[in-house]
Order: sequence, then structure tokens, then C-alpha cells
Amino acid sequence: GAVVSQHPSRVICKSGTSVKIECRSLDFQATTMFWYRQFPKQSLMLMATSNEGSKATYEQGVEKDKFLINHASLTLSTLTVTSAHPEDSSFYICSPSGTSGVADTQYFGPGTRLTVL
Amino acid sequence: QKEVEQNSGPLSVPEGAIASLNCTYSDRVSQSFFWYRQYSGKSPELIMSIYSNGDKEDGRFTAQLNKASQYVSLLIRDSQPSDSATYLCAVNGQGGSEKLVFGKGTKLTVNP
Repeated sequence: GAVVSQHPSRVICKSGTSVKIECRSLDFQATTMFWYRQFPKQSLMLMATSNEGSKATYEQGVEKDKFLINHASLTLSTLTVTSAHPEDSSFYICSPSGTSGVADTQYFGPGTRLTVL
Repeated sequence: QKEVEQNSGPLSVPEGAIASLNCTYSDRVSQSFFWYRQYSGKSPELIMSIYSNGDKEDGRFTAQLNKASQYVSLLIRDSQPSDSATYLCAVNGQGGSEKLVFGKGTKLTVNP
């Protein structure tokens, strides 16, 4: 499978601060990046989809000004949670898709556990 | 609106038994089907992918797809305690950039 890294793996921050999460696809070019969020005991919910060099497309109910996504290169995408609040505490997971040689397969990063105090 | 349905469980089987996980989907044009395993506190890892009707075997895992019935299943033979996890069914359309739609997952417990 594809090798995907996320940083940081865990972050605790105060309410009102911004947090940046990095996602790197280490062995293939991610033309598309999916960002998911998972609350405890719930399934993955897609937040947004971004294509390299283009603006992200956000799912209904996800605030684009709060969750800033940058996908400037084929190997790196970032998600910035701006002015984080306790309700943003969640498990954030990236999933790159692209020319991995395996059609239609999505692999996931290890995830970032965000806790907002 | 694409939907993917799974029994939430929990499903409990004894060690060595066959665990059967089921999934139905609503979008008839779906082309690609995936089973992911997610351990508590971890991100999902791909177990199986299947694209055409019939069975696909990989070690102790067998995925079964029936597009006419819009049904996909995962069988785990000789279940081990390490198989205890939540299993997510995911479905997408054509093309690698198509969004995945996930079921809510079935929690499996394999008892020693």
C-alpha cells in the first residue's frame, strides 16, 4: 500500500488558537487529497476534497473559512483549523489519491488527534 | 445521495470461527468496493478491494460482491483475537478521484 504520513499525530491546544496538520504522500503523487474527520464511535465523515493547485471543495456543513486546505504540491497537503473550539476536537485523517498504480484505491494517513481545551 | 449500510454490531465470534460482515449500498452505478479495518484510536487500513461480481480471496479474507443485489460482504476465516476491530465498508464510483462513501462500521470481537 501507499505510504502516507501525518504530522502531528496528537495536538492539544487552547480554544481560539489555530492548528496546522500536514499530510504527506511519501511514495506517490497525490493529485487528489481527501480530508476526513471522525468523532468518537462514529464513522469517517468527508470534510473536503482538494486537487493539486486548485481550491478545495467542501462538503455541506463544513466551513471553508474555518478549515483551510492547501494542496500546493503533489506530495503535501495541509489542513489548518482556525480559531479552534472544543467542538472541533476530533480525529482528522487525510487520504491521498492519485497515480499510485492501484486504480481507485484510497489509503489513509495515520491521523491527527486534536483536542481543544 | 449515496448510502452504505452496515450492521453496527457488535458481532462476537469465537476464535477460529468464520466472521461474516455484510454491507449494502444504494447507488447502482457504484464500481469499486472496499473493506477497511480500523483499530480503536487508529486510522483505517485497507483489507480488500473488489470491483467485479463474485469472490475475491486474500489469505483468510474473502470479499464477495453481488451488484444485482447491491451487496458486498467480507468473510474472515479462522478468526483471531487480533481481528477484533471495526470493519468499514466503503463504496465509490469510477475514477480514483471519486469520493468514498463509508458505512458506519461493524464492530467485531473475536473471543479467545
